[in-house]
Amino acid sequence: DQQVKQNSPSLSVQEGRISILNCDYTNSMFDYFLWYKKYPAEGPTFLISISSIKDKNEDGRFTVFLNKSAKHLSLHIVPSQPGDSAVYFCAASVGNNNDMRFGAGTRLTVKP
Amino acid sequence: ETGVTQSPTHLIKTRGQQVTLRCSSQSGHNTVSWYQQALGQGPQFIFQYYREEENGRGNFPPRFSGLQFPNYSSELNVNALELDDSALYLCASSKEAPGELFFGEGSRLTVL
Repeated sequence: DQQVKQNSPSLSVQEGRISILNCDYTNSMFDYFLWYKKYPAEGPTFLISISSIKDKNEDGRFTVFLNKSAKHLSLHIVPSQPGDSAVYFCAASVGNNNDMRFGAGTRLTVKP
Repeated sequence: ETGVTQSPTHLIKTRGQQVTLRCSSQSGHNTVSWYQQALGQGPQFIFQYYREEENGRGNFPPRFSGLQFPNYSSELNVNALELDDSALYLCASSKEAPGELFFGEGSRLTVL
């Protein structure tokens, strides 16, 4: 029951360019969405979140866009830096509850 | 501020054995969640403990059980290990239930 899908297992971009990571969900009850970043041998770390009452949330180089009608969200990183190279997980929950559903992750590689 | 710590970091068990994984939550956090991350997949919610009581459970059989102690540290116990239990087990703590999750580095379990 894959309610959160990240269809691109990997993405490679050039340093300084924009990285766009996509995420789709099927459960219309989800109303809180998060992005986590994971480096090798470390646990995931929280990056940015958005609630369903918004369609955009920005934090420095990171912006998350939410399209509720399409059940789609995306993470934009601009400009991309080599240190951004990591696996990015999209996660969703109903009311930010304890059962948070994660996508399979997208491995981002930013080339110098 | 001490982060989330997990032990052991790696362990190998054989089918049918039992395993106990441990987690110390971040200072000031009273909620601990456990996730299983199989290879190539995102974390899957096992259960959450809030103030020593189970506060939600994912789609895992009863042989997955847990505890939370008065200092908010936690254990995950898995009985009758199966080959498919081989995974990275992530512990995450938060201040409230629900709340933003802070993950440990994980315990990698291999079942032979």
